[in-house]
Amino acid sequence: KNQVEQSPQSLIILEGKNCTLQCNYTVSPFSNLRWYKQDTGRGPVSLTIMTFSENTKSNGRYTATLDADTKQSSLHITASQLSDSASYICVVTTLNYGQNFVFGPGTRLSVLP
Amino acid sequence: DAGVTQSPTHLIKTRGQHVTLRCSPISGHKSVSWYQQVLGQGPQFIFQYYEKEERGRGNFPDRFSARQFPNYSSELNVNALLLGDSALYLCASSPTGNTEAFFGQGTRLTVV
Repeated sequence: KNQVEQSPQSLIILEGKNCTLQCNYTVSPFSNLRWYKQDTGRGPVSLTIMTFSENTKSNGRYTATLDADTKQSSLHITASQLSDSASYICVVTTLNYGQNFVFGPGTRLSVLP
Repeated sequence: DAGVTQSPTHLIKTRGQHVTLRCSPISGHKSVSWYQQVLGQGPQFIFQYYEKEERGRGNFPDRFSARQFPNYSSELNVNALLLGDSALYLCASSPTGNTEAFFGQGTRLTVV
């Protein structure tokens, strides 16, 4: 069964600190993995997209890693800001006909002043 | 270029009623997917359409139906609304269905 798991479920950090969010997946056949940021009540916005051959990709203060062998990804946020408070969702794309996008449950990040 | 647009943004319905949600994909995108997101949870797949044909259906009852029009816009219909249908309904647009998905802002449906 195609599945994406994320940890932790929620995280509270102080402004300026770094944090790392984890994503494990069992999705086959694998096409790509994306991290989305979702503010409460809004649609998800893409942060990074990584294909099978990519190990690391950065987008400003966000750095995503992918280990296709262990089927793990992480999202590292550097020098957190209050505006980083949101849910971060890991989404794996499969080449299966039908449901192509398999969503994780998300990690809820709260950045406190 | 406009992004993915969904309408309405908010909606309040009573139990037993019917609702139609609308989505216009990014110009040139031929695939539209629908998701239900209950507060505090990740999105759950409902339908995917590509070139006006249903490509996939999630584990939702027959009260949920959808269609895609020749201009690639899409409607999600829910009949006989239940309180548990209250959620954020997200539409995602992609060129072919298995490349990057772009989301609309969602329709917040409240069933009372």
